[in-house]
Amino acid sequence: GDSVTQMEGPVTLSEEAFLTINCTYTATGYPSLFWYVQYPGEGLQLLLKATKADDKGSNKGFEATYRKETTSFHLEKGSVQVSDSAVYFCALTLAGGTSYGKLTFGQGTILTVHP
Amino acid sequence: DADVTQTPRNRITKTGKRIMLECSQTKGHDRMYWYRQDPGLGLRLIYYSFDVKDINKGEISDGYSVSRQAQAKFSLSLESAIPNQTALYFCATSDHIQGRETQYFGPGTRLLVL
Repeated sequence: GDSVTQMEGPVTLSEEAFLTINCTYTATGYPSLFWYVQYPGEGLQLLLKATKADDKGSNKGFEATYRKETTSFHLEKGSVQVSDSAVYFCALTLAGGTSYGKLTFGQGTILTVHP
Repeated sequence: DADVTQTPRNRITKTGKRIMLECSQTKGHDRMYWYRQDPGLGLRLIYYSFDVKDINKGEISDGYSVSRQAQAKFSLSLESAIPNQTALYFCATSDHIQGRETQYFGPGTRLLVL
């Protein structure tokens, strides 16, 4: 079945450090890929997405590139802020078919940024 | 006003009790979902509904049931709560149009089963 694997957390960084959170996937079809973020006490919200190979999603200084050859969608940010402290989830949905729209999530990575 | 609302936000109940969690949305989406979140396990899909007459089991539906009362309302019931159903529960909605599949989440219901 379809699955998403994220790097183990938690991740602790100092402000202005570079961030990478790894995400790899297995899928029976051709997925769309997402990063969702969950701030403390809140629900998840979409951070960025990519729908085809080599697409780069970006938002709020975060970027992720859809790499079909390595089945990866790693999240990066060049300079993190304290306000980026949250839980980050990688997810996929298959394009088309009866499963379209259902999300499969990774286990989440807790990010803590210190001043 | 929030687009996706959940009630209650927090609930404590006892083993064996029946409880209902409610979700309402004003986004006009056809599709609605119920997830539970447990530490280290991400979000797991309990049930989903692609329209009012369409209800489907997710990966962990045992012990749960749902009702889609209207396009805007999707309720999750625990018929006889047990302690391992203690979790954070999220409702989400999405459009049915390809390319607009982003899911929008409610704020969550924190459930404790004693």
